[in-house]
Amino acid sequence: GNSVTQMEGPVTLSEEAFLTINCTYTATGYPSLFWYVQYPGEGLQLLLKATKADDKGSNKGFEATYRKETTSFHLEKGSVQVSDSAVYFCALLLNQAGTALIFGKGTTLSVSS
Amino acid sequence: GAVVSQHPSRVICKSGTSVKIECRSLDFQATTMFWYRQFPKKSLMLMATSNEGSKATYEQGVEKDKFLINHASLTLSTLTVTSAHPEDSSFYICSARSGFVGSGNTIYFGEGSWLTVV
Repeated sequence: GNSVTQMEGPVTLSEEAFLTINCTYTATGYPSLFWYVQYPGEGLQLLLKATKADDKGSNKGFEATYRKETTSFHLEKGSVQVSDSAVYFCALLLNQAGTALIFGKGTTLSVSS
Repeated sequence: GAVVSQHPSRVICKSGTSVKIECRSLDFQATTMFWYRQFPKKSLMLMATSNEGSKATYEQGVEKDKFLINHASLTLSTLTVTSAHPEDSSFYICSARSGFVGSGNTIYFGEGSWLTVV
């Protein structure tokens, strides 16, 4: 079936450290891939997305590249800040009308100064 | 700015009463909206898919008579928690899919609604 697997958290980093959160997927066809971020007590915000192989999504210093050969969409940031502390969800969307996002379990990132 | 608005953001209700949560798409027409439930420190659980003008499709294990979903227009879907109990206390999030099938569509989320049943 279709699914998303994220690395288990929590991830604890010092400010300015390099961040990688791994995400791999299983899907039929060619899905779109997303990273959402959820700050404490809030809803989900779209962080970045990629709709086809080799696309790179980027936003606020975060990047992720759609790798079809490895079925991956790892999230990276070169220098994290305390304000990046949140839960990050990787998700896929099948290219079929009416289908919902399929989420990974989320990875909690905690950045200390 | 937000393209999907959810209301109320927080609600407290007494056990046995019903509470309605609204989800509106502000900048686009959403033929399909989705309702999720999130438990503390957990991922999102898809409850149901709401299609405009037709009955919602519920995920396995979700009681359709307890969680009533209505998608009356292309910009509004509502979730009504009927005869609420403390175990229904949770964070409920709606989302809407913009565009048609293809590479350009995206799903946007509402801000979420905290429901506390006392």
